[in-house]
Amino acid sequence: SQTIHQWPATLVQPVGSPLSLECTVEGTSNPNLYWYRQAAGRGLQLLFYSVGIGQISSEVPQNLSASRPQDRQFILSSKKLLLSDSGFYLCAWSVGLADYNEQFFGPGTRLTVL
Amino acid sequence: AQTVTQSQPEMSVQEAETVTLSCTYDTSESDYYLFWYKQPPSRQMILVIRQEAYKQQNATENRFSVNFQKAAKSFSLKISDSQLGDAAMYFCAYRREDSNYQLIWGAGTKLIIKP
Repeated sequence: SQTIHQWPATLVQPVGSPLSLECTVEGTSNPNLYWYRQAAGRGLQLLFYSVGIGQISSEVPQNLSASRPQDRQFILSSKKLLLSDSGFYLCAWSVGLADYNEQFFGPGTRLTVL
Repeated sequence: AQTVTQSQPEMSVQEAETVTLSCTYDTSESDYYLFWYKQPPSRQMILVIRQEAYKQQNATENRFSVNFQKAAKSFSLKISDSQLGDAAMYFCAYRREDSNYQLIWGAGTKLIIKP
């Protein structure tokens, strides 16, 4: 069966520090991968998605970036964090070109920027 | 552009009773997919139920069912025999049929279960 991992689970970082959040998927090949941010009490905002290695599409211009160095690995990064980057970050995967293509989510990372 | 609206920020229901969460969407597409996701306090996002727009029959998953009204662009979720474990944020989402990545999300409804 497929599983998706995210780490770390929680992170507290000072403003201006770098960021690296990692997401890995097991049990599937060539998944579509997504990074979302969820502000407190709000819905999900799609940040990045990837349909293959090295292929990244950005939905929202910001100081964050994403990379996909391997088929089942998706990394969210920042060179300098802002206070507004605080939030709950969710990674998700889906099977491309499947009927429903529903997305399956990881456990999330709670990021607090101080 | 497609939008998804959940007009109920919060709903409460007595345990064992039935509750309906509303969702409306705006689209000019004729083929698409709709989803309800649940996010409990653990924050794990879990798929509850899904519906294809071309299917007239409403989807059902155990105690969860939808009332899909395509002409009205409405996709409500009914939870029967509510249980304490149903307490969560519920999100409605829309996916275009020709897109393999884009989900449009509603703002969510917080469901409280009263024991």
